[in-house]
Amino acid sequence: AQKITQTQPGMFVQEKEAVTLDCTYDTSDPSYGLFWYKQPSSGEMIFLIYQGSYDQQNATEGRYSLNFQKARKSANLVISASQLGDSAMYFCAMRERNSGAGSYQLTFGKGTKLSVIP
Amino acid sequence: DAGVTQSPTHLIKTRGQQVTLRCSPISGHKSVSWYQQVLGQGPQFIFQYYEKEERGRGNFPDRFSARQFPNYSSELNVNALLLGDSALYLCASSIGQGRAPGANVLTFGAGSRLTVL
Repeated sequence: AQKITQTQPGMFVQEKEAVTLDCTYDTSDPSYGLFWYKQPSSGEMIFLIYQGSYDQQNATEGRYSLNFQKARKSANLVISASQLGDSAMYFCAMRERNSGAGSYQLTFGKGTKLSVIP
Repeated sequence: DAGVTQSPTHLIKTRGQQVTLRCSPISGHKSVSWYQQVLGQGPQFIFQYYEKEERGRGNFPDRFSARQFPNYSSELNVNALLLGDSALYLCASSIGQGRAPGANVLTFGAGSRLTVL
């Protein structure tokens, strides 16, 4: 079974509108972290936002917010007021606690390509 | 401050050859990880090194090897290249301390794009 599922291969959004990118995850570890990265055509992965499994509130970072629904195992990324520069691939990723101290391994989804229309 | 730097940015090899990719982490970061990203897929974990010791290995054959140097830079080696090794190879660094899942955000480089003919 896939650990991270992103069901939207591509999304379109009008400039200045909000958009939600879906992510569901699968883990039996009670302690885990969820990440969203942005990958422009240049290839570099850019960290956007993090949500811990024990965090009570949804994470926010500027125009990015994470809609964390633990019971549903979903961690959707919400981008408000879309800009042309937001056009890129977006990846959801998870780190589980059993990676151990000093150990760090992310499992990524297949990504969603977001296109912002002027 | 310099980010994660990788070299070379692009390279072309033929089947059976060997390749070495290099990565310099952000100053102060002691952990380096390598990921392979095939076209149209998300990155897949290959290796992670922390304080010059291997801390994790993904599901890759023994043709893939890596090491970390005293200055925390790292090399990824791939022997006996196959067509399927064509991919973007991403290096990421992190501080490397702390057990919490979010204690270390990975900072990625721009990658080395390998084409095997």
